[in-house]
This record gives sequence, structure tokens and C-alpha cells, in this order.
Amino acid sequence: NAGVMQNPRHLVRRRGQEARLRCSPMKGHSHVYWYRQLPEEGLKFMVYLQKENIIDESGMPKERFSAEFPKEGPSILRIQQVVRGDSAAYFCASSPGTGASYEQYFGPGTRLTVT
Amino acid sequence: KNEVEQSPQNLTAQEGEFITINCSYSVGISALHWLQQHPGGGIVSLFMLSSGKKKHGRLIATINIQEKHSSLHITASHPRDSAVYICAALPYSGAGSYQLTFGKGTKLSVIP
Repeated sequence: NAGVMQNPRHLVRRRGQEARLRCSPMKGHSHVYWYRQLPEEGLKFMVYLQKENIIDESGMPKERFSAEFPKEGPSILRIQQVVRGDSAAYFCASSPGTGASYEQYFGPGTRLTVT
Repeated sequence: KNEVEQSPQNLTAQEGEFITINCSYSVGISALHWLQQHPGGGIVSLFMLSSGKKKHGRLIATINIQEKHSSLHITASHPRDSAVYICAALPYSGAGSYQLTFGKGTKLSVIP
């Protein structure tokens, strides 16, 4: 059973470009969470999705960031018109359910560098 | 709002030493994760626990729900244990009960 997959592992974008980060959850997992780790800071929750639904996006910046988890295919975190402050490691996690009974499994992360 | 505090921030140990990393949190939680992150690397889940104690190899995690405190112990430490160890708390219930709140991590260096 493959783990959580993220790609690309490293992404370099110039200011103003778009960044698309992909997350394929573990087989059988329909819950996906995105977290951001800014340099020298701890991980912070961004968004929680189930298939075709955004459940909670309270941790997402209000502008330029969006996320989706379509019926088929990976979850996508999209950042439009990137700025230097978006440079960070973005991790997704997946679980088969939500709450204390269900462990979240993390992917290897995508390291975004904005030049 | 749940605050998660870890101590120490940095820890250097000699190979073979017994290591303890502490985590305290401010509100009731349903579960707590201990995670490991190597430099530039991904995040590996070591434990998820709601009560008592769990052991896996040389790693032991304990939690005291009443005292809102958890510890991660490493016995017979080895240089390959060098990493950042992060605790993350899952709130007890209600809105956001799936949102992990993370500590800032403890950077462990084990010297041969």
C-alpha cells in the first residue's frame, strides 16, 4: 500500500506565477488535509477536504489560495500570483476518517521556492 | 485556542543516552501525535495516542490527560535518531476537531 504521494517535491516559481501542488492520498483514504511549514516556524493547518467537498478552509489565506479534491485524481493546492512569502514546505496528510480514531498519514511535502 | 508547547527546543546528546522530549497543551484533546522530520525531509508519524503509553522499538510515548502533558523517550539513542520531533494535538470535539495544532519542534542531535 503506497503512502501519501506529493508532487512535485521541489517547485521553483517566479513572483506572479502560479503554483500547483498535488497530493494523492493513501488508498482507501477519502480525507485530505493540507499544512504549511514556513521557514523557522511550525506547521499550520490550511484546509481539510473530502472528495468533492471543502470541509474547512479556515487556515487558508483569503486570496490567491484555493484547494480542491475532485472525484477522480489527486487533491490540488493552487497558489496564484505567488509572492516570496509563499516560499514554504507544503505537506498533505490523509486519513480514512476523521477524529481521534483515525491517524493522519503525511506525505513527503512539496518545497516551494519563489524567486 | 489550543497552544502546544515543546521543550527543549534543541537537544544534543551522546550516542547511547536516554532522551526525553516534553509536550504540553492548553485545552482538552482527543489524541496526540508524535512526528519525526529529518532535515529537508518528509514527516513520519511515530505515534498517535489518547491515553497511557505506547512503545515501538527504542521509542516510548506517554500521555497524561489530566496534566495535559506528553513525553517522547528514546532509549539507547543513535546518530540516526537526529531529527526534529514534533508533537501535534487533536482537539477534543466540535468544530475543528480534525485540525492538528503543532508544537514548534525539538531539534535533536545525537553525537557518536
